[in-house]
Amino acid sequence: GAVVSQHPSWVICKSGTSVKIECRSLDFQATTMFWYRQFPKQSLMLMATSNEGSKATYEQGVEKDKFLINHASLTLSTLTVTSAHPEDSSFYICSARKNLATNEKLFFGSGTQLSVL
Amino acid sequence: GQQLNQSPQSMFIQEGEDVSMNCTSSSIFNTWLWYKQDPGEGPVLLIALYKAGELTSNGRLTAQFGITRKDSFLNISASIPSDVGIYFCAGRRGSRLTFGEGTQLTVNP
Repeated sequence: GAVVSQHPSWVICKSGTSVKIECRSLDFQATTMFWYRQFPKQSLMLMATSNEGSKATYEQGVEKDKFLINHASLTLSTLTVTSAHPEDSSFYICSARKNLATNEKLFFGSGTQLSVL
Repeated sequence: GQQLNQSPQSMFIQEGEDVSMNCTSSSIFNTWLWYKQDPGEGPVLLIALYKAGELTSNGRLTAQFGITRKDSFLNISASIPSDVGIYFCAGRRGSRLTFGEGTQLTVNP
């Protein structure tokens, strides 16, 4: 099946620093990628939809200036958490949409655990 | 916003037992999906359902897309210890995917 690579798997950073998370579709082109955040024992909450070559669409309540998304190529989207604070600590997951002949499927990355000290 | 009600929240069963979990929504979805998530990992797709009334199996897993398009269930037969994990339903309308709250499954050997 299709593979989506997410890097890094975990990161610990100091409060106030910025962290970049990469999401790559390894064997298909993805014009659309999605970024989710998941707090412990909770569901995945969509943060934003990343569109190749255009601005990302953010969900209500998600600060676009804090969570910068860049989808510069058909196989790479990045999420940068700027000026991270402890409340940004969470599990971040990306997914990439693969268009098939009869339908489309989403493939998820393995997630990034962010801990902000 | 859009919400999916998933139940039960958790289940503790013995190896070999069958399991059933379901999701309901107040809105219609075009696609229902079931995922399994292991700790520290992203969700992995188990079954995708594309038509109302569709019943699909994947090994010991069976899922159905409700005829009203507002609900779906997942059954796991003859559970084994490696079935342990969190199962999420997800409904899709357009490109937007909404997840249920998850069902934590524990299987005792």
